[in-house]
Amino acid sequence: NAGVMQNPRHLVRRRGQEARLRCSPMKGHSHVYWYRQLPEEGLKFMVYLQKENIIDESGMPKERFSAEFPKEGPSILRIQQVVRGDSAAYFCASSPHPARQPQETQYFGPGTRLLVL
Amino acid sequence: AQTVTQSQPEMSVQEAETVTLSCTYDTSESDYYLFWYKQPPSRQMILVIRQEAYKQQNATENRFSVNFQKAAKSFSLKISDSQLGDAAMYFCAYRSDETGTYKYIFGTGTRLKVLA
Repeated sequence: NAGVMQNPRHLVRRRGQEARLRCSPMKGHSHVYWYRQLPEEGLKFMVYLQKENIIDESGMPKERFSAEFPKEGPSILRIQQVVRGDSAAYFCASSPHPARQPQETQYFGPGTRLLVL
Repeated sequence: AQTVTQSQPEMSVQEAETVTLSCTYDTSESDYYLFWYKQPPSRQMILVIRQEAYKQQNATENRFSVNFQKAAKSFSLKISDSQLGDAAMYFCAYRSDETGTYKYIFGTGTRLKVLA
C-alpha cells in the first residue's frame, strides 16, 4: 500500500507564474489536508477536503490560492501569480473518514518545496 | 478557538538518557485527540504517538510515552533511552472531533538534539 504521494517534490517558479501541487492520498483514504511550512516554523493548516467537497478552507488565503479534490485523480493545490512569500514547503496529508475511523490519524506525504524567484 | 503551545523551542538530551517535551493546549471541547509527530531532517512527518481524550490511561509506544493531564490540558512526550535517530523536530497536534470538522492544529515545534 503506497503512502501519500506528492509531486513535484521541488518546484521553482518565477514571480507571477502559477504553481500546481499534486497530492495522491493513500488507498482507501477519502480526506485530504494541505499545510504550509515556512523554514524553522510549524505547520499551518490551509484547507481540508473530501472528494468533490471543501470541508474547511479557513487557513487558505482568500486570493490566489485554491484547492480541489475531484472524484477521480489527485488533490490539487493551485497558487496563481506566485510571490516570493509563497516560498515554503507544502505538505499534504490524507486520512480515512474521521467520523468512521476516529482512531486513525492523518498520514503525510513527503512535501513539495516551492521556491519563487 | 483551540490553540496548541510548545514552550520549548529546543531541547538537548544525552544519548541513552530520558527527555520530556512539553505541550499544552486550550479547548472547551471534550471530544478530541492529541498527537505527537516527529519531523527528521528529511522533513517527512511521522506519527509518534496518539491519545484519545476519553482515555485516562497514558499512551505508550516502545520508548515513547505521554503524560496526559486532561484537567491541566497538558500532553507531554517522554522519550526514554534516547537514540541519535531521535534527533528531529517534534510537533504536538490537537484534533477536534466534537464539531465534526476533524481539523488538526499544530504547535510550533520543539527541536530535539541528541548528544553522543
